[in-house]
Amino acid sequence: ETGVTQTPRHLVMGMTNKKSLKCEQHLGHNAMYWYKQSAKKPLELMFVYNFKEQTENNSVPSRFSPECPNSSHLFLHLHTLQPEDSALYLCASSQDIGRGYEQYFGPGTRLTVT
Amino acid sequence: AQSVTQLGSHVSVSEGALVLLRCNYSSSVPPYLFWYVQYPNQGLQLLLKYTTGATLVKGINGFEAEFKKSETSFHLTKPSAHMSDAAEYFCAVSDLTGANNLFFGTGTRLTVIP
Repeated sequence: ETGVTQTPRHLVMGMTNKKSLKCEQHLGHNAMYWYKQSAKKPLELMFVYNFKEQTENNSVPSRFSPECPNSSHLFLHLHTLQPEDSALYLCASSQDIGRGYEQYFGPGTRLTVT
Repeated sequence: AQSVTQLGSHVSVSEGALVLLRCNYSSSVPPYLFWYVQYPNQGLQLLLKYTTGATLVKGINGFEAEFKKSETSFHLTKPSAHMSDAAEYFCAVSDLTGANNLFFGTGTRLTVIP
């Protein structure tokens, strides 16, 4: 595997389910990000991790719970989601969180909440 | 706060014609600016970025953009469109705090007509 991978690519879940999204980067980067991409809205930054430590939580509801066990892996744990949470969830990584470092994106997980 | 406006959610051009995608930003200090491209079912890929120095920036696939401070613009151009350029394009501005947080526009979908 190369670059940034995300699993699953598609996920359908009910509002009472618990599921997790996984992201893995094979680039040796230190920073990882979760974004939410909804139709007709700008990409929304959700969380930022640097060297496994969370550095940014962009007022995300607690039904989204991130986990970063090491610099290569990032999870997004989901529980009691709402239909409006249906979106494409993108993971990204960069060498560092300093300004201007290129962010490399994974293909995303298309989440549908029923 | 920083923000980005992309004028035109959809742009259609004929194959071989000039591509012009517009981006205006709001920032109180010199910005870092980015253009990303997203092909169907894929994540975002960096086309080019401006940080400092030369205001005309060349990127991949023949794209370029010019930073114009007086117009607060960072429009993306390509002299001759190819069918393979059909995708969604996102302009982004970097957070001013020194962290690598990006603020994205709502995107412009480019259609190339044969």
